[in-house]
Amino acid sequence: DAGVIQSPRHEVTEMGQEVTLRCKPISGHNSLFWYRQTMMRGLELLIYFNNNVPIDDSGMPEDRFSAKMPNASFSTLKIQPSEPRDSAVYFCASSFYGSGNTIYFGEGSWLTVV
Amino acid sequence: KQEVTQIPAALSVPEGENLVLNCSFTDSAIYNLQWFRQDPGKGLTSLLLIQSSQREQTSGRLNASLDKSSGRSTLYIAASQPGDSATYLCAVPSKANAGGTSYGKLTFGQGTILTVHP
Repeated sequence: DAGVIQSPRHEVTEMGQEVTLRCKPISGHNSLFWYRQTMMRGLELLIYFNNNVPIDDSGMPEDRFSAKMPNASFSTLKIQPSEPRDSAVYFCASSFYGSGNTIYFGEGSWLTVV
Repeated sequence: KQEVTQIPAALSVPEGENLVLNCSFTDSAIYNLQWFRQDPGKGLTSLLLIQSSQREQTSGRLNASLDKSSGRSTLYIAASQPGDSATYLCAVPSKANAGGTSYGKLTFGQGTILTVHP
């Protein structure tokens, strides 16, 4: 299996621009997670989907952030408009739902907003 | 609210040493605990997952233990090698905001940065 695939790997954008991050989970996994990692706050869960349905979005910072999962093999995280404080690494992860199942992370999307 | 703490924050050891990384959590009502490894510029790789009913898990030179009652886990690395250099993170699931179970809503520690020098 190719693992969790994220794109783009790196993006530099100007403040105010729209940013769209993409994720393809591991085939057959029914849970998908978007995490953000910064030096100051570490790893934080933004939102998670189960069977393509958003279950918990309490970690989404504000209305500028939105996430969708139109089907089992694709999800997007959008930031509009972007701000310099959104600069971080955004990770997508997937798993089978269940307490005994490992979560697999993608390589991350490194976002810099200038 | 679950809080996860890892000590030490950084560790530098010579090759061949056995070492212990520590993880503590405030809410002992956990479903499992996972240890991850993160290399610079990379994502997280799961090393070991311990279910709440288990006391330890082993994979090669790695051994993770779990003591739910005291809110602690340790990751033991035997005969460390330079290739073990990375950041090690522990994480526990938290309940979903709307109630119920969220095995993937992980609360992470800040990690231990391990350097093993030749």
